[in-house]
Amino acid sequence: DIQVTQSPSSLSASVGDRVTITCQASQDISNYLNWYQQKPGKAPKLLIYDASNLETGVPSRFSGSGSGTDFTFTISSLQPDDIATYYCQQFDNLPPKLTFGGGTKVEIK
Amino acid sequence: EVQLLESGGGLVQPGGALRLSCAASGFTFSRYAMNWVRQAPGKGLEWVSTISGSGGIYYADSVMGRFTISRDNSKNTLYLQMNSLRVEDTAVYYCAKRRPGTTAAFDYWGQGTLVTVSS
Repeated sequence: DIQVTQSPSSLSASVGDRVTITCQASQDISNYLNWYQQKPGKAPKLLIYDASNLETGVPSRFSGSGSGTDFTFTISSLQPDDIATYYCQQFDNLPPKLTFGGGTKVEIK
Repeated sequence: EVQLLESGGGLVQPGGALRLSCAASGFTFSRYAMNWVRQAPGKGLEWVSTISGSGGIYYADSVMGRFTISRDNSKNTLYLQMNSLRVEDTAVYYCAKRRPGTTAAFDYWGQGTLVTVSS
């Protein structure tokens, strides 16, 4: 089974800072990597799909990149509304299985 | 407007059973793969199961043989039959719809239903 390692598990940054989260897959997963935001008590929200595509209605300060085994999620200028936990999610076709990363809790310094 | 509404959660003893439902509206339900994802208290997200529009079914190893996913396209409803429940199955269970044009991105989620397995 493919494993996905997300880091860091938490971070603290100032408003306006650039924030970067990474996910590393144990095998090549092409671009089958998605990113979600979850606020406390709420369902997750899709931000980035297929590694680098911005979901409709999501602010452009969010972006994703990468392919193969190494992926990056970036918030270009952290805003107070971005306080949340972020998860990557990968899809493995053989056998069909999905795995979420462990999550990154983002806080304001 | 797409809406997903889960129901059926509650308190059950270890070894017991529950059936969760997810009522869908606002899209052509039969065309889309649907999924269950759970989140234990204070923990991360865990994929549980997927059923495609054509009926293909996949499970996480942790629930294989105990949980059964199904759908009734005539009722626009997704189900999760959970048998032989364990304490570690305690979680909020979300249903989620696959985003069109993607392999496994979930663009709409329900509000979740809490399942508590405890004696």
